[in-house]
Amino acid sequence: AIWMTQSPSLLSASTGDRVTISCRMSQGIRSYLAWYQQKPGKAPELLIYAASTLQSGVPSRFSGSGSGTDFTLTISCLQSEDFATYYCQQYYSFPYTFGQGTKLEIK
Amino acid sequence: QVQLVESGGGVVQPGGSLRLSCAASGFTFSRYGMHWVRQAPGKGLEWVAFIRYDGSNKYYADSVKGRFTISRDNSKNTLYLQMNSLRAEDTAVYYCAKRVTTADDAFDIWGQGTMVTVSS
Repeated sequence: AIWMTQSPSLLSASTGDRVTISCRMSQGIRSYLAWYQQKPGKAPELLIYAASTLQSGVPSRFSGSGSGTDFTLTISCLQSEDFATYYCQQYYSFPYTFGQGTKLEIK
Repeated sequence: QVQLVESGGGVVQPGGSLRLSCAASGFTFSRYGMHWVRQAPGKGLEWVAFIRYDGSNKYYADSVKGRFTISRDNSKNTLYLQMNSLRAEDTAVYYCAKRVTTADDAFDIWGQGTMVTVSS
């Protein structure tokens, strides 16, 4: 199985900040990586797939980059609705795996 | 609109069985591979199983292999997860999810989830 290290696990920031979340793979996965946002009591929502493709309807302040083993999710100007938990996921090979999650909280 | 609705969750004793269903609408279900993903209370996401659009290939997480079976009925636009020999560690919200495209396995549509509690 491919292991993933997502960091940080907790991120404190303020509205208007630019933040980045990282995901590192135990082996190369080309660009088969997605990012999800999850709010309490809700299902996850797809933000980015194929490492850098913005899902339809997702605000352009979200962006993804990377390939191979190192990936990044960037939120360029935090809005109040962005405080949530974020997960990366590899879908290069089965079993698919998720990162441990990053909780983005208000500073 | 594109929608997935899970059902079938509940409380079951260790060693028991449960079958989850996921009703799909708003898209051509028979063209898309489908997944089950679960989330234990207060924990992260865990991928559980995948079935190809025509049911010809299935893949499972090691934690459920040999105990869970994924299946689908394209005539009913419904995905299933048969769960046998349930354990306490299977307690979770179970989500079904659809591939974002027929060739890309990110999950663009998720159901609302159904809670499975394994407890005596």
